[in-house]
Amino acid sequence: GAGVSQSPRYKVTKRGQDVALRCDPISGHVSLYWYRQALGQGPEFLTYFNYEAQQDKSGLPNDRFSAERPEGSISTLTIQRTEQRDSAMYRCASSLEPSHGEKLFFGSGTQLSVL
Amino acid sequence: AQSVSQHNHHVILSEAASLELGCNYSYGGTVNLFWYVQYPGQHLQLLLKYFSGDPLVKGIKGFEAEFIKSKFSFNLRKPSVQWSDTAEYFCAVRRGGADGLTFGKGTHLIIQP
Repeated sequence: GAGVSQSPRYKVTKRGQDVALRCDPISGHVSLYWYRQALGQGPEFLTYFNYEAQQDKSGLPNDRFSAERPEGSISTLTIQRTEQRDSAMYRCASSLEPSHGEKLFFGSGTQLSVL
Repeated sequence: AQSVSQHNHHVILSEAASLELGCNYSYGGTVNLFWYVQYPGQHLQLLLKYFSGDPLVKGIKGFEAEFIKSKFSFNLRKPSVQWSDTAEYFCAVRRGGADGLTFGKGTHLIIQP
């Protein structure tokens, strides 16, 4: 597709369930980022990949959160044993080159609600 | 810890008014500075960015921003706003060597026709 695609668009789950959020970046984009945005806040950096290598996961809040990008294209953000505080918009972004400061192209996000 | 402050969470202006949205950051080293915009129903997109050189940068749709190093500021300006500028605006900073951006909380701008 022409842009960054995220699925599902909305996810409602019960506390304690695992969820997997998918991001399909723009074709050919090397770098992929995950951000989380709580209501009334700006996006918060979670993790970042160049190709299939996870470069920085310092923003992941705890070990219930993990991400992978096994073939250097599609990425999955997994949250295990979800908690209500995990409710937020999860945004994926990609950029053409693995250099800092490159223009990020964002997807529409996945709105996660944990009941 | 690095932080980004946007002074106004909500701004309401009439068409043709001038706009200035404030952004300050706390990091003292080398930084890259960005403004992103999210129009209603759309995704975040880059408005403009500053890496180095001329501290006055021009972006899309008539927006500009000025980097004032001594004030740790990167305010966004537009001389005459339009109704279509209604959106949420986010200032973001990347410090030298870091991977992710640190975003401000955003400013919700409403332009009244």
